[in-house]
Amino acid sequence: EVQLVESGGGLVQPGGFLRLSCAASGFTFSTYSMNWVRQAPGKGLQWISYIRSGATASFYADSVKGRFTISRDDTRNSLYLYMNSLTAEDTAIYYCTTESEGGSYSPYWGQGALVTVSS
Amino acid sequence: DIVMTQSPDSLAVSLGERATINCKSSESVLYSSNNKNYLAWYQQKPGQPPKLLIYWASTRESGVPDRFSGSGSGTDFTLTISSLQAEDVAVYYCQQYYSTHYSFGQGTKLEI
Repeated sequence: EVQLVESGGGLVQPGGFLRLSCAASGFTFSTYSMNWVRQAPGKGLQWISYIRSGATASFYADSVKGRFTISRDDTRNSLYLYMNSLTAEDTAIYYCTTESEGGSYSPYWGQGALVTVSS
Repeated sequence: DIVMTQSPDSLAVSLGERATINCKSSESVLYSSNNKNYLAWYQQKPGQPPKLLIYWASTRESGVPDRFSGSGSGTDFTLTISSLQAEDVAVYYCQQYYSTHYSFGQGTKLEI
């Protein structure tokens, strides 16, 4: 059974830093591209970052580019999101998702990690 | 970036009736080399992560009831629920995965 478990969320002050982790199991993590998607309270879904299998490419939404960094550790079956210079607009639930073997849609999602940016 | 626009923002449908949600992309998401539309639909219930319903615009994910169907091509897409059940109350999102900057529609809230 595929499982994605996010951790590392919490309360952080504006301008602060946080690292999110996503522990993957139930599939061959190293062969799948991964994404981070966030959802502000009461709002819709926003894709924020992608990392290809093998970490050969990564992409970011304009709203986080230069502040967030996605990475993966295939030896630990883990995905990470390093978030710098956080603002209130980054307050959201952050989901990690897998892509499918056949395409870049997301059949599996974690339960999410809540990040709250507030003083 | 490709902008996805859904309509309506909210929709009330009676049990057993048909529900139709539309999604329009600012650019075509049809890849000519394989004739596939890079468009997915997700369902999100309160307090839960999104669930994949449809991919390639019209392929139903395993385990999704056949009352859910997707159609359309290029820039205009539709999610149809043929006979609304109480458990279908949720917010529905379309997503394009044609460009490397994936994007979602704003969501459509479906109520009874």
